[in-house]
Amino acid sequence: DQQVKQNSPSLSVQEGRISILNCDYTNSMFDYFLWYKKYPAEGPTFLISISSIKDKNEDGRFTVFLNKSAKHLSLHIVPSQPGDSAVYFCAASYRDKIIFGKGTRLHILP
Amino acid sequence: SQTIHQWPATLVQPVGSPLSLECTVEGTSNPNLYWYRQAAGRGLQLLFYSVGIGQISSEVPQNLSASRPQDRQFILSSKKLLLSDSGFYLCARSSGDFYQETQYFGPGTRLLVL
Repeated sequence: DQQVKQNSPSLSVQEGRISILNCDYTNSMFDYFLWYKKYPAEGPTFLISISSIKDKNEDGRFTVFLNKSAKHLSLHIVPSQPGDSAVYFCAASYRDKIIFGKGTRLHILP
Repeated sequence: SQTIHQWPATLVQPVGSPLSLECTVEGTSNPNLYWYRQAAGRGLQLLFYSVGIGQISSEVPQNLSASRPQDRQFILSSKKLLLSDSGFYLCARSSGDFYQETQYFGPGTRLLVL
């Protein structure tokens, strides 16, 4: 049973436009959510997180939105840049347990 | 700073051969450590985690085993590799924040079993 779902395996976005990556979760106990970025042949790097007491967290070009009632979070990247092409993993945690989604591959088109 | 080392970076092994992948962590003591596998087209699958020396929990039944002989060392092993063991193996450590768990990953080891 997948507790964290990223339903889009891939996404293509024009450079300069907004990239929106989505993630759904099923366990209402999750109280902390994270996004990781991964380049090929490298380990994932932590990008941004949000606590369940917030509905938005912004860091530069990256903003994460949390809709607890819908059990949905999204990562917005604006403007999208070529270096943003990577696999993005959504993760959810409760206390010391963390569950990852399967990832979405983002392609930034020139 | 806290750094995670993994070696080797890449490995090509024949089916049936043994495996030993090593992960070491610098800059922190008594970290929770994790082994993940990212197989082609799949997400991050948690294989093992360890909360201390000699303490290993397995998340999925499989052909692999893990050991933690020292506080900052985590080893992934197999006695006989299968083709399905090919993948990208990632070691991770916990941030240590119980209520806002963040994991930090090493550079990974790419394993190809032929």
